[in-house]
Amino acid sequence: AQSVTQLGSHVSVSEGALVLLRCNYSSSVPPYLFWYVQYPNQGLQLLLKYTSAATLVKGINGFEAEFKKSETSFHLTKPSAHMSDAAEYFCAVRGGSNYKLTFGKGTLLTVNP
Amino acid sequence: SQTIHQWPATLVQPVGSPLSLECTVEGTSNPNLYWYRQAAGRGLQLLFYSVGIGQISSEVPQNLSASRPQDRQFILSSKKLLLSDSGFYLCAWRIGVETDTQYFGPGTRLTVL
Repeated sequence: AQSVTQLGSHVSVSEGALVLLRCNYSSSVPPYLFWYVQYPNQGLQLLLKYTSAATLVKGINGFEAEFKKSETSFHLTKPSAHMSDAAEYFCAVRGGSNYKLTFGKGTLLTVNP
Repeated sequence: SQTIHQWPATLVQPVGSPLSLECTVEGTSNPNLYWYRQAAGRGLQLLFYSVGIGQISSEVPQNLSASRPQDRQFILSSKKLLLSDSGFYLCAWRIGVETDTQYFGPGTRLTVL
């Protein structure tokens, strides 16, 4: 069975500061991992994904994530936060039949001016 | 390119009334389709998925049902809504060409009063 834990339901940073959103996973098979972003009252948009290729994955909007098997982590980072990054971020792991995704509970990112 | 539509965008319904939410995908054939519910503070919960016309798998027992009458149409229904059915309902699709990524629709906000 697969599971995802997102540490911190709410993260607040200043504009221009480093963004770090934490995700730890549990998977009985080699994981495929995803980060999605959700703006208020909208669907989820794929930021990036890890599919067993390079461990450092670059996504859209300047975000990247590093897969660390030894730590079972897939943390999301961005060097410099922008006001437009304010949104909710979800980490997910693919597993089981028919490529079902198991999501974390989400982290709400607030960016302060 | 592929596009996914959901309607209505918002819905307010009284307890005990029926429900029908629709999801359609354009620009692809034979997609896998998924229904998720997002409740406050609980992340995304997979409700149903479908690998083809008339094929529905239920993930959790509940007051809802799903149907897939056409290849690119996925419907979520209820005969009698409960207060606990309130939430943000998201439809997603995946195709075999890129088997690991699900793409989400804009969602339907359902409030049961």
